[in-house]
Amino acid sequence: DGGITQSPKYLFRKEGQNVTLSCEQNLNHDAMYWYRQDPGQGLRLIYYSQIVNDFQKGDIAEGYSVSREKKESFPLTVTSAQKNPTAFYLCASSRTGGGNEKLFFGSGTQLSVL
Amino acid sequence: AQSVSQHNHHVILSEAASLELGCNYSYGGTVNLFWYVQYPGQHLQLLLKYFSGDPLVKGIKGFEAEFIKSKFSFNLRKPSVQWSDTAEYFCAVTPADTGRRALTFGSGTRLQVQP
Repeated sequence: DGGITQSPKYLFRKEGQNVTLSCEQNLNHDAMYWYRQDPGQGLRLIYYSQIVNDFQKGDIAEGYSVSREKKESFPLTVTSAQKNPTAFYLCASSRTGGGNEKLFFGSGTQLSVL
Repeated sequence: AQSVSQHNHHVILSEAASLELGCNYSYGGTVNLFWYVQYPGQHLQLLLKYFSGDPLVKGIKGFEAEFIKSKFSFNLRKPSVQWSDTAEYFCAVTPADTGRRALTFGSGTRLQVQP
Protein backbone atom coordinates (compact mmCIF):
# COMPACT_ATOMS: atom_id res chain seq x y z
CA ASP A 1 0.00 0.00 0.00
CA GLY A 2 1.78 3.13 -1.22
CA GLY A 3 1.82 6.32 0.74
CA ILE A 4 3.52 8.53 3.26
CA THR A 5 4.24 7.38 6.78
CA GLN A 6 4.86 9.86 9.56
CA SER A 7 5.99 8.81 13.01
CA PRO A 8 5.42 9.16 15.81
CA LYS A 9 1.78 10.27 15.86
CA TYR A 10 2.34 12.14 19.12
CA LEU A 11 5.62 13.53 20.42
CA PHE A 12 6.53 15.41 23.56
CA ARG A 13 9.55 17.65 23.84
CA LYS A 14 11.26 18.87 26.96
CA GLU A 15 12.79 22.32 27.17
CA GLY A 16 16.18 22.45 25.45
CA GLN A 17 15.69 19.13 23.71
CA ASN A 18 15.97 18.39 20.01
CA VAL A 19 13.43 15.99 18.57
CA THR A 20 13.21 14.38 15.15
CA LEU A 21 10.04 13.68 13.21
CA SER A 22 10.16 10.88 10.69
CA CYS A 23 8.68 10.96 7.19
CA GLU A 24 8.99 8.06 4.78
CA GLN A 25 7.38 7.64 1.35
CA ASN A 26 7.24 4.63 -0.94
CA LEU A 27 5.72 6.48 -3.89
CA ASN A 28 9.08 7.01 -5.63
CA HIS A 29 8.45 10.76 -5.52
CA ASP A 30 11.28 13.19 -6.09
CA ALA A 31 9.94 16.07 -3.98
CA MET A 32 9.12 16.15 -0.30
CA TYR A 33 7.83 18.91 2.00
CA TRP A 34 7.32 19.77 5.64
CA TYR A 35 4.46 22.00 6.73
CA ARG A 36 3.40 23.22 10.13
CA GLN A 37 -0.32 23.52 10.82
CA ASP A 38 -1.56 25.84 13.56
CA PRO A 39 -5.24 26.60 14.19
CA GLY A 40 -6.36 29.58 12.14
CA GLN A 41 -3.06 29.85 10.28
CA GLY A 42 -3.35 27.11 7.74
CA LEU A 43 -0.24 25.29 6.58
CA ARG A 44 3.09 27.07 6.61
CA LEU A 45 6.09 25.72 4.72
CA ILE A 46 9.11 24.83 6.84
CA TYR A 47 11.45 23.12 4.36
CA TYR A 48 11.17 21.39 1.03
CA SER A 49 13.33 19.17 -1.10
CA GLN A 50 12.89 18.91 -4.84
CA ILE A 51 15.42 16.13 -5.21
CA VAL A 52 17.59 13.91 -3.06
CA ASN A 53 20.62 15.59 -1.44
CA ASP A 54 19.07 19.04 -1.89
CA PHE A 55 16.63 21.10 0.16
CA GLN A 56 15.49 24.70 0.56
CA LYS A 57 14.14 26.80 3.39
CA GLY A 58 10.48 27.66 3.44
CA ASP A 59 8.75 30.53 5.20
CA ILE A 60 9.40 29.44 8.80
CA ALA A 61 12.67 27.47 8.72
CA GLU A 62 14.22 29.04 11.83
CA GLY A 63 14.65 26.49 14.60
CA TYR A 64 14.26 23.53 12.25
CA SER A 65 16.66 21.38 10.25
CA VAL A 66 16.23 18.64 7.64
CA SER A 67 18.22 16.15 5.63
CA ARG A 68 17.49 14.32 2.39
CA GLU A 69 20.07 11.58 2.11
CA LYS A 70 17.64 9.06 0.65
CA LYS A 71 14.86 9.61 -1.83
CA GLU A 72 12.25 8.01 0.39
CA SER A 73 13.13 9.80 3.64
CA PHE A 74 12.91 13.44 4.75
CA PRO A 75 13.29 13.72 8.55
CA LEU A 76 12.62 17.01 10.32
CA THR A 77 14.49 17.99 13.48
CA VAL A 78 12.89 20.53 15.77
CA THR A 79 15.78 22.10 17.62
CA SER A 80 15.88 23.86 20.97
CA ALA A 81 16.09 27.13 19.04
CA GLN A 82 12.44 26.73 18.02
CA LYS A 83 10.72 28.58 20.86
CA ASN A 84 7.15 27.68 19.99
CA PRO A 85 7.26 24.14 18.65
CA THR A 86 3.80 23.01 19.73
CA ALA A 87 1.96 22.34 16.47
CA PHE A 88 0.75 19.70 14.05
CA TYR A 89 3.43 18.79 11.53
CA LEU A 90 2.54 17.48 8.10
CA CYS A 91 4.86 15.83 5.61
CA ALA A 92 3.97 15.66 1.94
CA SER A 93 5.46 14.47 -1.32
CA SER A 94 4.91 15.01 -5.03
CA ARG A 95 6.10 13.17 -8.09
CA THR A 96 8.27 16.08 -9.16
CA GLY A 97 9.21 19.43 -7.64
CA GLY A 98 7.80 21.52 -10.46
CA GLY A 99 4.98 22.99 -8.42
CA ASN A 100 2.20 21.63 -10.61
CA GLU A 101 1.92 18.17 -9.12
CA LYS A 102 -0.62 16.87 -6.64
CA LEU A 103 0.68 16.63 -3.09
CA PHE A 104 0.22 13.46 -1.10
CA PHE A 105 0.08 14.05 2.64
CA GLY A 106 0.93 11.95 5.65
CA SER A 107 -1.28 11.64 8.72
CA GLY A 108 0.81 14.12 10.71
CA THR A 109 2.68 14.35 14.01
CA GLN A 110 1.36 16.36 16.95
CA LEU A 111 4.28 17.86 18.85
CA SER A 112 3.77 19.24 22.33
CA VAL A 113 6.13 20.80 24.83
CA LEU A 114 6.25 19.40 28.36
CA ALA B 1 6.82 36.00 -2.44
CA GLN B 2 3.36 34.72 -3.08
CA SER B 3 0.59 34.70 -0.48
CA VAL B 4 -2.99 33.44 -0.26
CA SER B 5 -5.96 34.95 1.57
CA GLN B 6 -9.07 33.06 2.55
CA HIS B 7 -11.46 35.55 4.07
CA ASN B 8 -14.09 33.12 5.32
CA HIS B 9 -12.70 31.40 8.38
CA HIS B 10 -15.82 29.51 9.44
CA VAL B 11 -18.90 28.93 7.33
CA ILE B 12 -22.07 27.25 8.53
CA LEU B 13 -24.64 26.10 5.97
CA SER B 14 -27.70 23.93 5.87
CA GLU B 15 -27.82 20.95 3.56
CA ALA B 16 -28.76 21.83 -0.04
CA ALA B 17 -27.51 25.40 0.35
CA SER B 18 -25.08 26.74 -2.23
CA LEU B 19 -21.46 27.26 -1.28
CA GLU B 20 -18.87 29.78 -2.35
CA LEU B 21 -15.53 30.05 -0.55
CA GLY B 22 -13.29 32.96 -1.40
CA CYS B 23 -9.60 32.71 -2.27
CA ASN B 24 -7.35 35.55 -3.37
CA TYR B 25 -3.65 35.29 -4.08
CA SER B 26 -0.87 37.79 -4.52
CA TYR B 27 1.66 37.09 -7.25
CA GLY B 28 2.28 39.05 -10.38
CA GLY B 29 3.14 36.20 -12.71
CA THR B 30 1.57 32.99 -13.93
CA VAL B 31 0.29 30.69 -11.23
CA ASN B 32 -0.89 27.16 -10.53
CA LEU B 33 -3.91 27.12 -8.22
CA PHE B 34 -5.26 24.38 -6.00
CA TRP B 35 -7.99 23.59 -3.52
CA TYR B 36 -7.31 20.91 -0.92
CA VAL B 37 -9.78 19.47 1.58
CA GLN B 38 -9.28 17.91 4.98
CA TYR B 39 -12.23 15.80 6.16
CA PRO B 40 -12.38 15.05 9.89
CA GLY B 41 -9.82 12.40 10.74
CA GLN B 42 -8.53 12.11 7.19
CA HIS B 43 -5.45 13.21 5.27
CA LEU B 44 -5.45 16.39 3.24
CA GLN B 45 -6.46 15.58 -0.32
CA LEU B 46 -6.65 17.41 -3.61
CA LEU B 47 -10.09 18.72 -4.57
CA LEU B 48 -9.20 20.42 -7.85
CA LYS B 49 -6.45 22.33 -9.62
CA TYR B 50 -5.96 24.93 -12.33
CA PHE B 51 -2.87 25.27 -14.49
CA SER B 52 -4.06 26.82 -17.74
CA GLY B 53 -6.89 26.79 -20.26
CA ASP B 54 -10.54 26.92 -19.25
CA PRO B 55 -10.72 29.09 -16.12
CA LEU B 56 -13.65 27.06 -14.80
CA VAL B 57 -12.33 23.79 -13.41
CA LYS B 58 -14.30 20.90 -12.03
CA GLY B 59 -13.12 18.66 -9.27
CA ILE B 60 -14.31 15.73 -7.23
CA LYS B 61 -17.63 15.52 -5.41
CA GLY B 62 -19.34 18.20 -7.50
CA PHE B 63 -16.98 21.04 -6.59
CA GLU B 64 -15.81 23.61 -9.11
CA ALA B 65 -13.63 26.71 -9.01
CA GLU B 66 -13.26 29.70 -11.28
CA PHE B 67 -9.97 31.47 -11.92
CA ILE B 68 -10.48 35.21 -12.49
CA LYS B 69 -7.07 36.58 -13.38
CA SER B 70 -8.08 40.24 -13.15
CA LYS B 71 -9.24 39.71 -9.58
CA PHE B 72 -6.43 37.33 -8.55
CA SER B 73 -9.16 35.02 -7.32
CA PHE B 74 -9.90 31.31 -7.38
CA ASN B 75 -13.20 30.85 -5.56
CA LEU B 76 -14.57 27.41 -4.78
CA ARG B 77 -18.23 26.66 -5.43
CA LYS B 78 -20.75 23.88 -5.01
CA PRO B 79 -24.41 24.29 -5.97
CA SER B 80 -25.81 22.10 -3.18
CA VAL B 81 -23.79 21.02 -0.16
CA GLN B 82 -24.23 17.81 1.77
CA TRP B 83 -23.52 16.98 5.40
CA SER B 84 -20.51 14.96 4.20
CA ASP B 85 -18.92 18.16 2.87
CA THR B 86 -18.17 19.20 6.44
CA ALA B 87 -14.40 19.73 6.36
CA GLU B 88 -11.65 22.30 6.26
CA TYR B 89 -10.83 23.72 2.84
CA PHE B 90 -7.47 25.17 1.85
CA CYS B 91 -6.61 27.23 -1.20
CA ALA B 92 -2.99 27.07 -2.40
CA VAL B 93 -0.78 28.61 -5.07
CA THR B 94 2.59 28.06 -6.71
CA PRO B 95 4.29 30.27 -9.29
CA ALA B 96 4.27 28.65 -12.70
CA ASP B 97 6.97 30.81 -14.25
CA THR B 98 9.72 31.15 -11.69
CA GLY B 99 10.41 31.25 -8.00
CA ARG B 100 9.59 28.80 -5.28
CA ARG B 101 7.88 25.67 -6.55
CA ALA B 102 6.32 24.64 -3.25
CA LEU B 103 2.69 25.31 -2.40
CA THR B 104 1.77 28.34 -0.35
CA PHE B 105 -1.48 27.69 1.49
CA GLY B 106 -4.16 29.99 2.79
CA SER B 107 -5.32 29.90 6.39
CA GLY B 108 -8.22 27.60 5.58
CA THR B 109 -12.01 27.76 5.83
CA ARG B 110 -13.86 25.47 8.16
CA LEU B 111 -17.19 24.45 6.62
CA GLN B 112 -19.89 23.04 8.82
CA VAL B 113 -22.96 21.63 7.07
CA GLN B 114 -25.99 21.11 9.26
CA PRO B 115 -28.45 18.36 8.36
